Amino acid sequence: DVQLVESGGGLVQPGGSLRLSCAASGFTFSTYAMGWVRQAPGKGLEWVSTINAGGTATYYADSVKGRFTISRDNSKNALYLQMDSLRAEDTAIYYCAKETRPQGAAGSDYWGQGTLVTVSS
Amino acid sequence: DIEMTQSPSSLSASVGDRVTITCRASQDIRNHLVWYQQKPGKVPELLIYAASTLQSGVPSRFSGSGSGTDFTLTISSLQPEDVATYYCQKHNTAPLTFGGGTKVEIK
Repeated sequence: DVQLVESGGGLVQPGGSLRLSCAASGFTFSTYAMGWVRQAPGKGLEWVSTINAGGTATYYADSVKGRFTISRDNSKNALYLQMDSLRAEDTAIYYCAKETRPQGAAGSDYWGQGTLVTVSS
Repeated sequence: DIEMTQSPSSLSASVGDRVTITCRASQDIRNHLVWYQQKPGKVPELLIYAASTLQSGVPSRFSGSGSGTDFTLTISSLQPEDVATYYCQKHNTAPLTFGGGTKVEIK
């Protein structure tokens, strides 16, 4: 079975940093693009970032561009999100998500349970 | 960037009713549109991709249609377990923008 398990969330002060991890299993990780989606408390879904299967192409929402860095280690079946210069508005549950098809353009068929990031002094 | 607008933002319908949710893209996205269902306190689940292809395991009362800029998610006969917020998302090129969501409740 496909499993995505996020870790690394927590409470951080404004301006601080966190590194989220997503451990993947149950599928050929190196074949699929992966992404991060967040959801602020009581709000809708917001796409954050996507990385292609080989890790050679990355994409970011304007709201996080220049502050967040997505990466992956296909040898470890792991996805990461380095979050720097954190702001209060980054407070959210962060979900790791797997693309439905290797060729993309079909949404995300598996999501982790999410990890909560709280940015507050 | 392309904006995704859903309507209505919420609706209340009776069990057995036909429910329709609309998603509009500010530019042509061909059929690169997906729909998710998020039940209260749960993780989003993929319902439909490529505008009209039902994800494996999703009940057949769900259907999607549209292309270009106008898309529709239809629940043919609303069931109590369909209480959720539904999101559309453009899923071709970044940014992979979500719509604002439609909250569906039982009357």
